[in-house]
Amino acid sequence: SYELTQPPSVSVSPGQTASITCSGNKLGDKYVYWYQQKPGQSPVLVMYQDNKRPSGIPERFSGSNSGNTATLTISGTQTMDEADYYCQAWDRGTVVFGEGTKLTVL
Amino acid sequence: EMQLLESGGGLLQPGGSLRLSCAASGFTFNIYALSWVRQAPGKGLEWVSSVSGSDGNTYYADSVKGRCTISRDNSKNTLYLQMNSLRAGDTAVYYCAKGESGSPDYGLDVWGQGTTVTVSS
Repeated sequence: SYELTQPPSVSVSPGQTASITCSGNKLGDKYVYWYQQKPGQSPVLVMYQDNKRPSGIPERFSGSNSGNTATLTISGTQTMDEADYYCQAWDRGTVVFGEGTKLTVL
Repeated sequence: EMQLLESGGGLLQPGGSLRLSCAASGFTFNIYALSWVRQAPGKGLEWVSSVSGSDGNTYYADSVKGRCTISRDNSKNTLYLQMNSLRAGDTAVYYCAKGESGSPDYGLDVWGQGTTVTVSS
């Protein structure tokens, strides 16, 4: 089965740039989606089709996908961005999620 | 405003059955794919099942295949998940999510608040 690999944790200082990676075989051939989940809340889509921001998502969120790696980048990270982030793709009839990355802003 | 409201969770015994429901509002229900995603306590997101909006094709994770049936009632704007032969490993918050298109191979742009299923004797 297809697997997406994310780092368990990423730390960043406020105002700096955070990069969260998601790796999978030939991932660049698929669309990648990113979700943000804060404690006790439902996931929120923050990036779709690799690099498109849904309405209401701040411009500091951006995405890329090439080769075997997709990246969610948060520029000028704010304390409110502290959350778990999950990547997701579709592979042969299944929805696949990465294991999630805990972003700590400190 | 697009909304999804899950119901039907609770405490169930191993081997039991349940039906989860997800009531939708604020969008043209029959057009979009819909999915169930679960999250075990302290764990990540796990996809369970999807149903397309156009042709009604269904898709299942290996972990629930043969034990779960996803269905939709477009006249009631409601999504369902029938789960049988419940196991402790099915304990999770179950989210209903709307696809961004009629095909399930796209992202999930609206999520419900979740309903908790606990399987324990």
